[in-house]
Amino acid sequence: KQEVTQIPAALSVPEGENLVLNCSFTDSAIYNLQWFRQDPGKGLTSLLLIQSSQREQTSGRLNASLDKSSGRSTLYIAASQPGDSATYLCAVKRGSNDMRFGAGTRLTVKP
Amino acid sequence: DVKVTQSSRYLVKRTGEKVFLECVQDMDHENMFWYRQDPGLGLRLIYFSYDVKMKEKGDIPEGYSVSREKKERFSLILESASTNQTSMYLCASSTNQPQHFGDGTRLSIL
Repeated sequence: KQEVTQIPAALSVPEGENLVLNCSFTDSAIYNLQWFRQDPGKGLTSLLLIQSSQREQTSGRLNASLDKSSGRSTLYIAASQPGDSATYLCAVKRGSNDMRFGAGTRLTVKP
Repeated sequence: DVKVTQSSRYLVKRTGEKVFLECVQDMDHENMFWYRQDPGLGLRLIYFSYDVKMKEKGDIPEGYSVSREKKERFSLILESASTNQTSMYLCASSTNQPQHFGDGTRLSIL
């Protein structure tokens, strides 16, 4: 059974810092991995999607990497801003409608 | 822009009631999903549907049923609400990926 773990559960950093969020999964037979952002009381917004054949994806200040063999992904956020404060979730897709989500990392960026 | 609309943001019901949660999407997506989100557990799939009148069980279907009579609408039904069904419920839709999510319904069962 696929398990997805995100550590740490919460992270607080000062504005301007570069930071890394971690995601690990137990079964390397995945189609893709996705990073989402969730603001308080809201649904999930897709940030980056990495196909199983890819190593990384970039969007603006965000960079996500994927190492299938070790079952790990990282989300790198450069020059963090208070507006980046949110919960970040990763999800791995195994089948056509089978996505497994981590519990998320709650990020606080202090001004 | 894709819009997934959940009919209620907050809902309070009593134990034993039959509860309906509604979700509507405006992008003609084939696939629709219901998840529940609990602290420390992430999102867990309750049911999904890949076509009108079609449904498949997810990981935690017990105590729930669904209805998809029209392509744009996917309803989650709690047959007899219990306190352990207090949670945040999220609806999503997709053609392939990514899934697009609604803002959620925070349901409290008293």
